[in-house]
Amino acid sequence: AIQMTQSPSSLSASVGDRVTITCRASQGIGDDLSWYQQQPGKAPKLLIFSAAGLQSGVPSRFSGSGSGTEFSLTISSLQPEDFATYFCLQDYSYPRTFGQGTKVDIK
Amino acid sequence: EVQLLESGGGLVQPGGSLRLSCAASGFSFDSYTMSWVRQAPGKGLEWVSTLSGSGDKSYYADSVKGRFTVSRDNSKRTLYMEMNGLRAEDTAVYYCAKYLAVAGLDALAVWGQGTTVTVSS
Repeated sequence: AIQMTQSPSSLSASVGDRVTITCRASQGIGDDLSWYQQQPGKAPKLLIFSAAGLQSGVPSRFSGSGSGTEFSLTISSLQPEDFATYFCLQDYSYPRTFGQGTKVDIK
Repeated sequence: EVQLLESGGGLVQPGGSLRLSCAASGFSFDSYTMSWVRQAPGKGLEWVSTLSGSGDKSYYADSVKGRFTVSRDNSKRTLYMEMNGLRAEDTAVYYCAKYLAVAGLDALAVWGQGTTVTVSS
């Protein structure tokens, strides 16, 4: 199974900060990676598909990049509603695997 | 509006069985691959299973293979997960989710609100 290593596991940031979260795959997965945001007690929400595609309705401050084994999610200017946990998911092969998650909280 | 509504969760004893349902609306259900994802209390997301739109291709996590069976009834627009031999480590919120596109885009675009399964004596 492909392992997804996400870092950092948590970070503290302020409103307006630029934040970057990274996922590394244990083998190449092309651009078959998606990113999700999860608020406490809520279902996950798709942010980015195919490594860099912005899901409809998602603010443009969210962006994704990378291919092969290294991927990143960037929030250009953190807003209060962005404090949440973020997960990556490899869509390349079965079994599908998620990263461990990154909790973004208020500094 | 695309909606997914899970049901069937509850408290079950170790070794017991449960069937989860996911009722879909607002899209051509039989065209879309669907997945189950779970989240144990305080933990991350774990992919559980995926089933193609026609129901002919299914995939499972090793942790549930041989115990869980995914199925669908396209006439009822419903996805199911039959869970047997339940263990304490199966305790989680179970989400169903819809693929982003009919083909080629496998991201999980729409999620249900989840149903909670608790395995305990």
